[in-house]
Amino acid sequence: NAGVMQNPRHLVRRRGQEARLRCSPMKGHSHVYWYRQLPEEGLKFMVYLQKENIIDESGMPKERFSAEFPKEGPSILRIQQVVRGDSAAYFCASSPPSKTEKLFFGSGTQLSVL
Amino acid sequence: KNQVEQSPQSLIILEGKNCTLQCNYTVSPFSNLRWYKQDTGRGPVSLTIMTFSENTKSNGRYTATLDADTKQSSLHITASQLSDSASYICVAASGGSYIPTFGRGTSLIVHP
Repeated sequence: NAGVMQNPRHLVRRRGQEARLRCSPMKGHSHVYWYRQLPEEGLKFMVYLQKENIIDESGMPKERFSAEFPKEGPSILRIQQVVRGDSAAYFCASSPPSKTEKLFFGSGTQLSVL
Repeated sequence: KNQVEQSPQSLIILEGKNCTLQCNYTVSPFSNLRWYKQDTGRGPVSLTIMTFSENTKSNGRYTATLDADTKQSSLHITASQLSDSASYICVAASGGSYIPTFGRGTSLIVHP
């Protein structure tokens, strides 16, 4: 049973370009979370999705950021018109459909904006 | 508002020594508390889970405690190894939400 898969592992973008980060949850997991982590900082919640639904996006900036978790395929975190401040590690986690199950994290995508 | 506070922010110890990391939480209604270990450049991995009725739980050299009355938890690491160098994150889950509350983590460095 493969773990949570994130790709790419590293992503370099120039200011103004788009970044698309992918996350394939563990088999059988229908809940996906996205977190952002700056160097020497803790994980910041961005968005929580279930299949085809955004349940909580309270941690995601209102502009330029969007997320989806389609019926088929991976979850996508999309950042439009990236700025240098978007440079960070973005982690995806998945869990079974329960409020108290542990989260299984991917290895993250390190986004660098030049 | 749900909150998790961890201390110390960072800790440096010598290999072989013991250490204890602290976590104070305010989560309602409380369901469980997990400690995660995050190695540099990797995603966090769950070490242990504590529920309301549990006071102590061990996982190898890691021992977690929970005091539900004072809303405090600790993670004790015995006979530290170089591979213990990582960030340790306290995460409290509420029965009323799918979004667990994360602490900022304690950065542990174990020196030879």
